[in-house]
Amino acid sequence: ETGVTQTPRHLVMGMTNKKSLKCEQHLGHNAMYWYKQSAKKPLELMFVYNFKEQTENNSVPSRFSPECPNSSHLFLHLHTLQPEDSALYLCASSQGQAGAGDTQYFGPGTRLTVL
Amino acid sequence: GIQVEQSPPDLILQEGANSTLRCNFSDSVNNLQWFHQNPWGQLINLFYIPSGTKQNGRLSATTVATERYSLLYISSSQTTDSGVYFCAVTAAGNKLTFGGGTRVLVKP
Repeated sequence: ETGVTQTPRHLVMGMTNKKSLKCEQHLGHNAMYWYKQSAKKPLELMFVYNFKEQTENNSVPSRFSPECPNSSHLFLHLHTLQPEDSALYLCASSQGQAGAGDTQYFGPGTRLTVL
Repeated sequence: GIQVEQSPPDLILQEGANSTLRCNFSDSVNNLQWFHQNPWGQLINLFYIPSGTKQNGRLSATTVATERYSLLYISSSQTTDSGVYFCAVTAAGNKLTFGGGTRVLVKP
């Protein structure tokens, strides 16, 4: 799938660093999502945005801060992370609102390592 | 919330073999998707199949919504089929919930 892009693809950061993950969808979709995939765990939904408005925060710690300036872009700002936050972070988008049952399309992910 | 269970958790196949992956879910759904995650982490949509049967090349899927399960068939498997296969479902108004995945290794 080339419709959803994510940068960077790999990121290594220290616990005191601040970094941001970027996601862009070129599909004209209205909903965007952040997921976390840790080793040996199912994908976990983190945040949902519908029409730029956050509609779900799945009990995510405040050291993860999402931003959705428009329907095509989604950021995840990271600060004072912990080693257990190391994971693959996946962005997705769908045409309709979350919960409507529309197909979700995923980006390639950012593999994050926190030292 | 809805529970999604996939079986088997791991599957080793010889190239050319056929296989069936299963996804059971605990409640009615309005969306069911099958994904393939390649070794680089990319999740590729395989099927959007809340009910019925679909085929795409060597892959096909069947969802029996009334009995709350879906099956993914891989025929004449190839080494490029290796990776993790995920089933994910949405109950009305709720988030997409993923199963634990089936890790497939196809040996040449």
